[in-house]
Amino acid sequence: SQTIHQWPATLVQPVGSPLSLECTVEGTSNPNLYWYRQAAGRGLQLLFYSVGIGQISSEVPQNLSASRPQDRQFILSSKKLLLSDSGFYLCAWSVGGAATDTQYFGPGTRLTVL
Amino acid sequence: AQTVTQSQPEMSVQEAETVTLSCTYDTSESDYYLFWYKQPPSRQMILVIRQEAYKQQNATENRFSVNFQKAAKSFSLKISDSQLGDAAMYFCAVLRWSSNSGYALNFGKGTSLLVTP
Repeated sequence: SQTIHQWPATLVQPVGSPLSLECTVEGTSNPNLYWYRQAAGRGLQLLFYSVGIGQISSEVPQNLSASRPQDRQFILSSKKLLLSDSGFYLCAWSVGGAATDTQYFGPGTRLTVL
Repeated sequence: AQTVTQSQPEMSVQEAETVTLSCTYDTSESDYYLFWYKQPPSRQMILVIRQEAYKQQNATENRFSVNFQKAAKSFSLKISDSQLGDAAMYFCAVLRWSSNSGYALNFGKGTSLLVTP
């Protein structure tokens, strides 16, 4: 069966510091991978989407970036965090035709920028 | 633009009773997919149920069922025999296409469900 991991689970970082969040999927090949952010009291907003290694699409311009160095690894990064980057970050995966995909989510990372 | 509206920020139901959570959406697509996700206090998003818009029959998963009204663009979730473990935030979502990001979920703002003994 497929599983998805995210780490760290929680993170407290000062403004201006770098960020690296990691997501890995097990039990499937060539998944579509997604990064979403959930700000306090709000729904989820898509940040990045990847259909394969090195293929990243960005939904919203911001100071965040994503990379996919391996088939089942998706990394969210920032060179300098802003206060507004605080939130809950969720990674998701899907397989098959993207139009019919069901997305399955990881446990998330709670990021607090102080 | 595609929007998803959940008009009930909070709902409450007694254990063993039935509750219905509302969702309306706007899309220009003729074929699309709709989802309900549950987010318990752990905050992990858990798939509850999925509906394919071209299917007339409403989806059902055990105690969870949907009332899908395509013409009205309405997609409500019914929870029967509510249990304490059903307490969570529930999100309605529509799968959408974007030239920037391909297929991605567009979420409503959620309904917080409280289950009382």
